Amino acid sequence: GQNIDQPTEMTATEGAIVQINCTYQTSGFNGLFWYQQHAGEAPTFLSYNVLDGLEEKGRFSSFLSRSKGYSYLLLKELQMKDSASYLCAFMDSNYQLIWGAGTKLIIKP
Amino acid sequence: GAVVSQHPSRVICKSGTSVKIECRSLDFQATTMFWYRQFPKKSLMLMATSNEGSKATYEQGVEKDKFLINHASLTLSTLTVTSAHPEDSSFYICSARIVGGLSETQYFGPGTRLLVL
Repeated sequence: GQNIDQPTEMTATEGAIVQINCTYQTSGFNGLFWYQQHAGEAPTFLSYNVLDGLEEKGRFSSFLSRSKGYSYLLLKELQMKDSASYLCAFMDSNYQLIWGAGTKLIIKP
Repeated sequence: GAVVSQHPSRVICKSGTSVKIECRSLDFQATTMFWYRQFPKKSLMLMATSNEGSKATYEQGVEKDKFLINHASLTLSTLTVTSAHPEDSSFYICSARIVGGLSETQYFGPGTRLLVL
């Protein structure tokens, strides 16, 4: 079967670093995505990993280990505007996105 | 990044009426678009896959006759909620698929908030 799991909620302090983990199980895999979603808005694309390793984009980095079915999103130098839900999703063999429930990230001053 | 628009952004309608939502890819051609709905504090739920020039593929449990999807061109897909009822009130989001080299990405429209009274 297929499943994907990520923590429901995390809290971090402004200026700090936070890592949001995502684990998945699937027989067919065509990449893992991270999206940011602010309350009441549609998701916005953050990153895509299809090969193992770390992809860095400014303050945000995403890591993938296909053998472990594991990914994380790393956010550095947290800002209050980073308070949002972070959704991970993998693309299965039919190129459909299978979504996690999202991690609500709360940033405190 | 690629731009996807949705119209309208918000709609309030009476129970029993039909509502059409448009999804446009503004600077690229999208042979495949996806329609999602999202209830408050819940994850995105895929409703259907819209393919240009062919019938949409609906997910299990989604009524084809209630949620009509038309993908008439490479830049436009429409979702019509027919005979809407209060339980159809939700946030409807479309996305367009871009395939490039080894990668494939979905870009989302801003969403349409539907409230059925």
